[in-house]
Amino acid sequence: QVQLQESGPGLVKPSQTLSLTCTVSGGSISSGGYYWSWIRQHPGKGLEWIGYIYYSGSTYYNPSLKSRVTISVDTSKNQFSLKLSSVTAADTAVYYCARARPRGVWWFDPWGQGTLVTVSS
Amino acid sequence: EIVLTQSPATLSLSPGERATLSCRASQSVSSYLAWYQQKPGQAPRLLIYDASNRATGIPARFSGSGSGTDFTLTISSLEPEDFAVYYCQQRSNWHTFGPGTKVDIK
Repeated sequence: QVQLQESGPGLVKPSQTLSLTCTVSGGSISSGGYYWSWIRQHPGKGLEWIGYIYYSGSTYYNPSLKSRVTISVDTSKNQFSLKLSSVTAADTAVYYCARARPRGVWWFDPWGQGTLVTVSS
Repeated sequence: EIVLTQSPATLSLSPGERATLSCRASQSVSSYLAWYQQKPGQAPRLLIYDASNRATGIPARFSGSGSGTDFTLTISSLEPEDFAVYYCQQRSNWHTFGPGTKVDIK
């Protein structure tokens, strides 16, 4: 079955750019039929959808983060990536990647295990 | 933005009891609602999609109902592994999640 794994620095300085990669195994991003998503969870808080990308490169972003977010895809490596610019302490969160099924509610399944990113000098 | 409200914030029950969790949307989301379970230190797991469809591998004791603005997740008889936080999610305009309901052991 499809599995996702996040990777990237666990510590980012304020004003810098947070960069994370999600590696997909057990299935091919370029097969289509799904959107590949980033979702974050602030410590002890709820979930916030960041955005997603289709294998073709089409992207959709949360309007509240759109000015700072870039999601890209590398089908040759079966990976997709997140860049969040000008980070502050408010961007400290566990970042998850997940697959979205574009049908009905567009549910997220499966999810990666998540990676904690702390913004601190 | 559609806001999801979940109640109660915390539900204290014993194993074997029935759990009823509520999710209310600030405007109609039709049947486009999903439920997730999250245990400490783990990623959320999809339970229900499109209000009432169980995801693959989800036990039959989990059921979802509702449409429009009012939705319910029911766990018919709580198992020890069901004590967790439950989130609802909608996708109109963009995706938002509810604040969660924690089901803990009484």
